Amino acid sequence: AQKVTQAQTEISVVEKEDVTLDCVYETRDTTYYLFWYKQPPSGELVFLIRRNSFDEQNEISGRYSWNFQKSTSSFNFTITASQVVDSAVYFCALSDYYGGSQGNLIFGKGTKLSVKP
Amino acid sequence: DVKVTQSSRYLVKRTGEKVFLECVQDMDHENMFWYRQDPGLGLRLIYFSYDVKMKEKGDIPEGYSVSREKKERFSLILESASTNQTSMYLCASSPYRGQEYYNEQFFGPGTRLTVL
Repeated sequence: AQKVTQAQTEISVVEKEDVTLDCVYETRDTTYYLFWYKQPPSGELVFLIRRNSFDEQNEISGRYSWNFQKSTSSFNFTITASQVVDSAVYFCALSDYYGGSQGNLIFGKGTKLSVKP
Repeated sequence: DVKVTQSSRYLVKRTGEKVFLECVQDMDHENMFWYRQDPGLGLRLIYFSYDVKMKEKGDIPEGYSVSREKKERFSLILESASTNQTSMYLCASSPYRGQEYYNEQFFGPGTRLTVL
């Protein structure tokens, strides 16, 4: 069965600190996709990144970076020099590759990040 | 930009009422999804649809039904609302480009439903 675990329920940091959000997944598929979404207080989930299981290169986008390690089944998300606007709930999600289910996402329970000024 | 809209941001209904939650997307996406979000439980899939008039049960379909008469519109129906259906409901859509490529889902702003 597929499963996504975000062990950190809540994290609180002070502005300009770096913070890493952990995501560990389980799947028996050899090919799959991983995602991160951000849910600000307004409620709408915002897509951040998609990574397929063939591509283990880390990715950096501005202050955001993602570390994908198949060996440990982890897809961690780091925010460098955090800002108050980064305060949100962040979800990690997993989807199988060949979607007879048309690509349903399995979500973790989310990590609530609070960045204090 | 992809736009997914939901008919209401906040809704208050009484137990036993029939409730309709509407979702519309404007990007000609094939796939549409309904989730509910509850504290500590994350997002759970209720139903999804990969084509007009097609529907598939998700993880928690009990007490819900759906309708997709047009490609852009996906409705979630609570036949007889109950207090345990008080939740945030999120609609999403995604395009289908073949099995070799999976696309991200785009979400609407959510409807916070309270059943009294």
